[in-house]
Formats: sequence, structure tokens, C-alpha cells
Amino acid sequence: DVKVTQSSRYLVKRTGEKVFLECVQDMDHENMFWYRQDPGLGLRLIYFSYDVKMKEKGDIPEGYSVSREKKERFSLILESASTNQTSMYLCASSLVSSGFGSADTQYFGPGTRLTVL
Amino acid sequence: GQSLEQPSEVTAVEGAIVQINCTYQTSGFYGLSWYQQHDGGAPTFLSYNALDGLEETGRFSSFLSRSDSYGYLLLQELQMKDSASYFCAVRDGRNNAGNMLTFGGGTRLMVKP
Repeated sequence: DVKVTQSSRYLVKRTGEKVFLECVQDMDHENMFWYRQDPGLGLRLIYFSYDVKMKEKGDIPEGYSVSREKKERFSLILESASTNQTSMYLCASSLVSSGFGSADTQYFGPGTRLTVL
Repeated sequence: GQSLEQPSEVTAVEGAIVQINCTYQTSGFYGLSWYQQHDGGAPTFLSYNALDGLEETGRFSSFLSRSDSYGYLLLQELQMKDSASYFCAVRDGRNNAGNMLTFGGGTRLMVKP
């Protein structure tokens, strides 16, 4: 069974704090993703990584950075948390794409609900 | 860019059939996926269509029409446990180094007794 774990289920931080969200997967997946989920907006991609030390911006990277020093671990960093970053953050992982016709299934962690006061 | 439209909410009764539609606009379309998410849970993969037609997996089926940029998820013999949010997602060709997905806003399905 694929397992994706996230460091915290709930987190409360203050405006201006630096926040680290950690994600670990145990299936040797090449790809890892960070999404935020807000009601009515679905899942929006913040960043993804396709290899150690490799990253690409998603649709909403502003205010975030990421780090992938080991294949199994992908960190999301909020350099200076703001109230509009209050959200549910979901991490996911997947194998490298095998081309057209492949579902490229993403496996999600349980999420971290972050509240910034 | 990529965009997907799906209804925000659907209500149905136990034992009924419900269809959740999804229309999309994307460049480099590679396929349409469906994910299920129960309240407080993680999204989990349900189905995938790369080619036109119907894919059946037990009580759930998914349909795709590439020419219409349209797909749907069909849930039969609804059970209370099917109450969840359902997301359609397109795998697009924005980046070949990874399999990025763009998700719709989600459809909250409420199954009533």
C-alpha cells in the first residue's frame, strides 16, 4: 500500500511566521506535489518536483517555496505566513508518467489544515 | 490555460443513479481522471479515460467524449457511503517531466436515505 504522510493534521501559526510542512512517501515515487484546497476551488497546484532538487512552479506558487533533498521527502515552506494562506494543504506523489493511456495516479496524504492568525 | 467545470453539489437518494458531469478546456489533453474525497479524508483515485467511451468499475462508470471536451462519472445503486466530493482532473501537457493534473472545483454528492 502506498503511504503518504504529512507532519501535522492541524497547525496554527501567526502572521509573519515561517512555516514548514513536511511530506514523506514510502513508494519510491519520482513525482511529488503540493496542493492547497479551498471550498469551491478544488485542488490547486502550488509546486511539484519530479526528482531530487528539481522543482517546478504550479498554478499558485506565490508566497511559497519548496525543498526536495531526498527522494521520499518534499517540504513546503511559507516564508512569511499570511492570513490568506489559511487553507488545507495536500501532498501527493506518483510514479513518473508512462505516457498516453496511463492514469498517472496520484496518491494523497491526509492533509494539513493550516490556520494563520 | 486549463479549466474544468463541474456542478458544485448534487443530491440523490439511496439506490438511485447519479451522473456528475465535467467539461474541460486544456491544451495537450492526455486523459480525464476522477477522484473521490470523503470529508476529512484524502482524495483517492477512482477512474481514468484516455479514449472516448465508457469505462466501468463495479458500480462506478466514467465516460469521455474528446470531441466535446466532456466527461462524466456515473454512480449506480447509490449507497450512503458514496456521500463525498468528486473531482474531475485532466492530465495536461504543460510539462513532460511530470504528470501534472489540473482539478475541477469538485462536486459534493449527498446521498439521502
